[in-house]
Amino acid sequence: GAVVSQHPSWVICKSGTSVKIECRSLDFQATTMFWYRQFPKQSLMLMATSNEGSKATYEQGVEKDKFLINHASLTLSTLTVTSAHPEDSSFYICSARVAGENTQYFGPGTRLTVL
Amino acid sequence: GESVGLHLPTLSVQEGDNSIINCAYSNSASDYFIWYKQESGKGPQFIIDIRSNMDKRQGQRVTVLLNKTVKHLSLQIAATQPGDSAVYFCAERFGGFKTIFGAGTRLFVKA
Repeated sequence: GAVVSQHPSWVICKSGTSVKIECRSLDFQATTMFWYRQFPKQSLMLMATSNEGSKATYEQGVEKDKFLINHASLTLSTLTVTSAHPEDSSFYICSARVAGENTQYFGPGTRLTVL
Repeated sequence: GESVGLHLPTLSVQEGDNSIINCAYSNSASDYFIWYKQESGKGPQFIIDIRSNMDKRQGQRVTVLLNKTVKHLSLQIAATQPGDSAVYFCAERFGGFKTIFGAGTRLFVKA
């Protein structure tokens, strides 16, 4: 089956630093990738949708200058949390979709803790 | 804004019993619905999906029912097992491929 990986699986950083999270589709080409954020005991909240080679579309309330998304290839999307603060601590999950298919394949998530 | 919601935040069932998890959605333009299972510290795992032109779909031990009249989804799990313990999310898709998740129901299976 289609596999999506994320790296790192967890990261701890100091307030004010930037953190990059990678999302890779391992055995398929993903025309669209999605980034979600999940706070403890809450649901997944869609942050942005990115299509390969074009700018990401951000959901209302998500700061595009703070959460930089790059989808430079059909197998890799990156989310960079810039100038991270403790309130950015969360579980970040990506998913990938193949053109023509309904199914989204989810990554295992990245736990970000900002001290 | 429009959202997908759930009636029950937690559900506790005896091993071997059937489980029913309910979900209400509010976006009449949604054309595709999915149930996901999420275990602690992991990403969501696809369980079953259903298109808006269907009212029932069955998988292995799972059945999804869709009632568009009242905008209601349900997930039925037959012969619930301890490995089914997790948080279950319904999700709806509209506006292309934007998928919005509901609040989630935690399922506890008692041995």
